[in-house]
Amino acid sequence: GNSVTQMEGPVTLSEEAFLTINCTYTATGYPSLFWYVQYPGEGLQLLLKATKADDKGSNKGFEATYRKETTSFHLEKGSVQVSDSAVYFCALKRTQGGSEKLVFGKGTKLTVNP
Amino acid sequence: DSGVTQTPKHLITATGQRVTLRCSPRSGDLSVYWYQQSLDQGLQFLIQYYNGEERAKGNILERFSAQQFPDLHSELNLSSLELGDSALYFCASTETGTTDTQYFGPGTRLTVL
Repeated sequence: GNSVTQMEGPVTLSEEAFLTINCTYTATGYPSLFWYVQYPGEGLQLLLKATKADDKGSNKGFEATYRKETTSFHLEKGSVQVSDSAVYFCALKRTQGGSEKLVFGKGTKLTVNP
Repeated sequence: DSGVTQTPKHLITATGQRVTLRCSPRSGDLSVYWYQQSLDQGLQFLIQYYNGEERAKGNILERFSAQQFPDLHSELNLSSLELGDSALYFCASTETGTTDTQYFGPGTRLTVL
């Protein structure tokens, strides 16, 4: 079936450090891939997305490239800030019976210390 | 602010009780999705409605039900509550049933004592 596996956290970094959060997926065909972010006490927000192989999604300094050959969509940021502290979810869009829904990974909690 | 509203923000109740969670989608969005977020299960898709009709079902228990009304707001009904139903419940909306970006509300935190 369709599933998403992302690295377990928590991840703790110092400000300005490099961030990588790994995400791999299992799916039939070529699903759209997403990173959502959940700041403390809030709902999820779309951070970036990629809809086909080799696409690179980017937003707020974060990037992720859709790698078909490795079925991966790793999230990276060159220099994290304290305000990036949040839980990050990798997700894929699955089509079933004419409807579409998101399948999420378990989330990775990131804490950035000053 | 995503434009999706959920009420109440917090709900504390006892086992065996029934509660109703409410969601108002973004203006113009026809589709509403419900999710349950718990520490052990992560974020689980429960059910989707599109323009008043059920479109897709996920891991929703038989004790749970939902509906979408003509004004497009949606309610999630949870009955015979158990301790394990304690979780954050999110709704999300999209303009149609097939767009990529879902807009999430702030969630309702349900605590079952």
